[in-house]
Amino acid sequence: DSGVTQTPKHLITATGQRVTLRCSPRSGDLSVYWYQQSLDQGLQFLIQYYNGEERAKGNILERFSAQQFPDLHSELNLSSLELGDSALYFCASSDLGSYYGYTFGSGTRLTVV
Amino acid sequence: AQTVTQSQPEMSVQEAETVTLSCTYDTSESDYYLFWYKQPPSRQMILVIRQEAYKQQNATENRFSVNFQKAAKSFSLKISDSQLGDAAMYFCAYRRTGNQFYFGTGTSLTVIP
Repeated sequence: DSGVTQTPKHLITATGQRVTLRCSPRSGDLSVYWYQQSLDQGLQFLIQYYNGEERAKGNILERFSAQQFPDLHSELNLSSLELGDSALYFCASSDLGSYYGYTFGSGTRLTVV
Repeated sequence: AQTVTQSQPEMSVQEAETVTLSCTYDTSESDYYLFWYKQPPSRQMILVIRQEAYKQQNATENRFSVNFQKAAKSFSLKISDSQLGDAAMYFCAYRRTGNQFYFGTGTSLTVIP
């Protein structure tokens, strides 16, 4: 157990639907990052939060949004889902500097049918 | 822009032998951090080793070591005495200012018994 908890582990939904992925960071970590891992595109950075505030955005679609709550857990909302959104979504957390690397959750496997 | 390149999509090694995975990166920063992550079939991302760019000494963690060539912007991972459990996808990652990580596209390592 890495200390980063992601739920659900698997999600199957239809095109056009909306889903919410949840992440609880490792105890003590204030930074949360979301990454998308598709079969042919490696790990793509989506968004970063630090202590409730958005810090950086990567290749995140407008149909996607995220937030970090006062208790530091984070949610990634994916709406108007398309087949191409099928991927493994990782949450990772780190301390302020991330000098020692990210700690990853086990990911949420999203399948859009 | 920072980019990370892993030029070997697939590698194989005989059990107990040594294998080296290549990684190059592009950056204009002088102080940064580099990482290797392992992703076994379970899909969990596991930190293998980290290197601080300002340190000339190559990092070592048990059977894993790196060859860090700062001038050449090269960061290869050497796995000694390969074991069946080393079979996984290996990702090289660069930590940029702002704490975001850029990942390579990965190298799939097969360990042959």
